[in-house]
Amino acid sequence: NAGVTQTPKFQVLKTGQSMTLQCAQDMNHEYMSWYRQDPGMGLRLIHYSVGAGITDQGEVPNGYNVSRSTTEDFPLRLLSAAPSQTSVYFCASSPEGGSGNQPQHFGDGTRLSIL
Amino acid sequence: AQTVTQSQPEMSVQEAETVTLSCTYDTSESDYYLFWYKQPPSRQMILVIRQEAYKQQNATENRFSVNFQKAAKSFSLKISDSQLGDAAMYFCAYRTLYSGTYKYIFGTGTRLKVLA
Repeated sequence: NAGVTQTPKFQVLKTGQSMTLQCAQDMNHEYMSWYRQDPGMGLRLIHYSVGAGITDQGEVPNGYNVSRSTTEDFPLRLLSAAPSQTSVYFCASSPEGGSGNQPQHFGDGTRLSIL
Repeated sequence: AQTVTQSQPEMSVQEAETVTLSCTYDTSESDYYLFWYKQPPSRQMILVIRQEAYKQQNATENRFSVNFQKAAKSFSLKISDSQLGDAAMYFCAYRTLYSGTYKYIFGTGTRLKVLA
């Protein structure tokens, strides 16, 4: 049972480069989200999706794009990397419907450094 | 907009003692969920405990319990018989109950140190 899988675990980019952080879950969860974690800031929501074909912005969406073509995958794209995007990125998923009290399942995170 | 505040950046507790981590939140909603997550040095986010706002009874999970004060918008976590493995960052999180708005709001975290 893999849960939420994030790749890569570490990445170093140069300013201006683009890249995609991958996130996949095998639990058939409708809800998926991306967070960034910075020291003293907690987890801040970047984008989220409530199902295939449906995405919405979170608290800090600028500089990031997402798409949700399948239930399983929710990639996060950095369009033109900037040093301010140096952070640890977490993908999470949860089932929706029913009582709605199911917690999010988190991936192990991706540590991204922008030089 | 909802906010979650954890006013204690760092706490320390002696092994086997009890510690309480504070969390307050602001919302205009009457129904919602609250969670405590633990993040050890491995960086994994692990659910500790959850509370439905419509339930008056405080949630309990083994050594972990909450003091949920809805009117005061307070949701503190009590860890009893603290163990070295409890050392971690602890995040309080809020989630709206209603479909269509699935945002989770996290606090800034409290780093818990457990002293042997």
